[in-house]
Amino acid sequence: DVKVTQSSRYLVKRTGEKVFLECVQDMDHENMFWYRQDPGLGLRLIYFSYDVKMKEKGDIPEGYSVSREKKERFSLILESASTNQTSMYLCASRPTGVYGYTFGSGTRLTVV
Amino acid sequence: GQQVMQIPQYQHVQEGEDFTTYCNSSTTLSNIQWYKQRPGGHPVFLIQLVKSGEVKKQKRLTFQFGEAKKNSSLHITATQTTDVGTYFCAYNQGGKLIFGQGTELSVKP
Repeated sequence: DVKVTQSSRYLVKRTGEKVFLECVQDMDHENMFWYRQDPGLGLRLIYFSYDVKMKEKGDIPEGYSVSREKKERFSLILESASTNQTSMYLCASRPTGVYGYTFGSGTRLTVV
Repeated sequence: GQQVMQIPQYQHVQEGEDFTTYCNSSTTLSNIQWYKQRPGGHPVFLIQLVKSGEVKKQKRLTFQFGEAKKNSSLHITATQTTDVGTYFCAYNQGGKLIFGQGTELSVKP
């Protein structure tokens, strides 16, 4: 079965910390995505990647960066965590073409 | 920019009643996808519609894409408690998936 795995289900970090959220997919998908989900705001795209070492900004990239050194892994980095980055973070992947996305189970990040 | 409006935001039904959520765009969409997110879960892909006027069924779920490709609907016949969750429509734009705000469905047994 197709799988997207996010390394942590829950995470608590302090303001100013550097935070790494990891996502791995086992489907050989070219495209990977990071969303955040907040009540009342829905799912918003942070960054996405079409290929290894490629990245594109989504709708809300400020305060985030990403890394894709290998096809199966897409990391989201919060350079200096702030309380307004407390959210549910969802990773997704899809093959090239117009197909449905497969989402990971999400990481609920709390910044205190 | 282009966006989709999804209505209603919330819907509470008695088990056995029907449910419909609507997704409306001011511009033509190339395709539309539907996802379901259970409480505490993550979005799960249900279906994709591409053709004008397309209708697809999955058991008690019926999906429609409007003739003008500006709107779509998801209809559930005879809801069950397992249908509880938030239903999102989403469309592709430049390789990105843009989501509607979702309709949260609750079902009273």
